[in-house]
This record gives sequence, structure tokens and C-alpha cells, in this order.
Amino acid sequence: DVKVTQSSRYLVKRTGEKVFLECVQDMDHENMFWYRQDPGLGLRLIYFSYDVKMKEKGDIPEGYSVSREKKERFSLILESASTNQTSMYLCASIPDTRGAEQYFGPGTRLTVT
Amino acid sequence: GQSLEQPSEVTAVEGAIVQINCTYQTSGFYGLSWYQQHDGGAPTFLSYNALDGLEETGRFSSFLSRSDSYGYLLLQELQMKDSASYFCAGITSGYSTLTFGKGTMLLVSP
Repeated sequence: DVKVTQSSRYLVKRTGEKVFLECVQDMDHENMFWYRQDPGLGLRLIYFSYDVKMKEKGDIPEGYSVSREKKERFSLILESASTNQTSMYLCASIPDTRGAEQYFGPGTRLTVT
Repeated sequence: GQSLEQPSEVTAVEGAIVQINCTYQTSGFYGLSWYQQHDGGAPTFLSYNALDGLEETGRFSSFLSRSDSYGYLLLQELQMKDSASYFCAGITSGYSTLTFGKGTMLLVSP
């Protein structure tokens, strides 16, 4: 089975802190994605990566950055957390661009106070 | 830009059939996927339509009409465990990025 893991299930941070969310997949997938999910808004793409050290902005990249130093690991960084970044963050991966099925991690519920 | 519209909530009884519709407006569209998400869980893939027509996977079927910018998910023989949120999602780039609808909450009652 494909496994996508995220470093924390729940996280509480203070406004202005730098926050790192980690995602690891164990199936040698090429593409990885970060989404945030908010009630009534569905899932929205923040950033994605199609190869090591390669990254592309999604629909809502403002206030976020990402890092992919190794193929299996994709990190989401909140440079200076704000209360409007309180959300559920979901990581996903896909074998390559020919595939349609994205495999999601369990999510990190981040609260910024 | 891209947008996908789906009903916010649908209710049905066990054993029934339910259809969840999805209409989309998008420039550059590779296909339509459907995901299921139980409360507190991660989204899981259900189906994908790259071409017009019906795709069947067990009790679930999905349909796409590109000319109508429309698709639907059909769930048959509903079970209580089918109570969940269902998202349609358009593949909108060659990198397999997804643009999601806002989700439809399906409530199945006895």
C-alpha cells in the first residue's frame, strides 16, 4: 500500500512563528502536492513539486513556501504564521503525471493563535 | 480560472441510488476525478473520467460529458458507510494538479 505520512496530526503555533509541515511518501512518487482545506471551500492547492528541488505555485501560494530536497519528502513552510492560516493541511502524491489518483496523507490540523 | 460547482448536501436512504452532479468551467481540462472523504479522514480516490462516458467501479459509477462541461457520480445500493463528503476535481495541468469543487455532504439514513 502507498503510504503518505505527515509529521503532526495537530499543531498549535503562535502568530509570527515559523512553521514547518513535513510530508513523506514511501512509493517513489514523482509529484507531490500541498493543499489546505477549509469548511465550505473544499481543497485548494498551495504548491506542488514534480521533481527534487522543483516547485510550482498553486492557486493560493501567498504566505507559504516549500522545499523538496529529497524525492520522498516535501515540506510546507509558513514563514510567519498568521491566524488566517489556521486550517487543515493535506499532502498528496502521485506516481507521475500520467496518473490520475492522488494519495493523501492524514492531514495536519494547524491552529495559529 | 477554474471552478467546479456541486450541491452542498444530498440526503438518501439505505439501499437507494443517489447522483451527485458536478458542473465545471475551466480552461485546460484533462479530466474529472471524484474523491470521498469521511469526517476526520483523508480524501480517497474513487474514479477518473478522461473521456466522455460512463466508468463503473462496483457500486460507484462516474460520468463525463465534455460538451456539456458536466459530470456526475452515481452511488447505488447505498450503505450507511457511504455517508461522507464527495468532491469532484478537475485535472487542470500536465502535472496532474487538481482543482476541487467545494464538496457534497451525503447523508445516508436507515
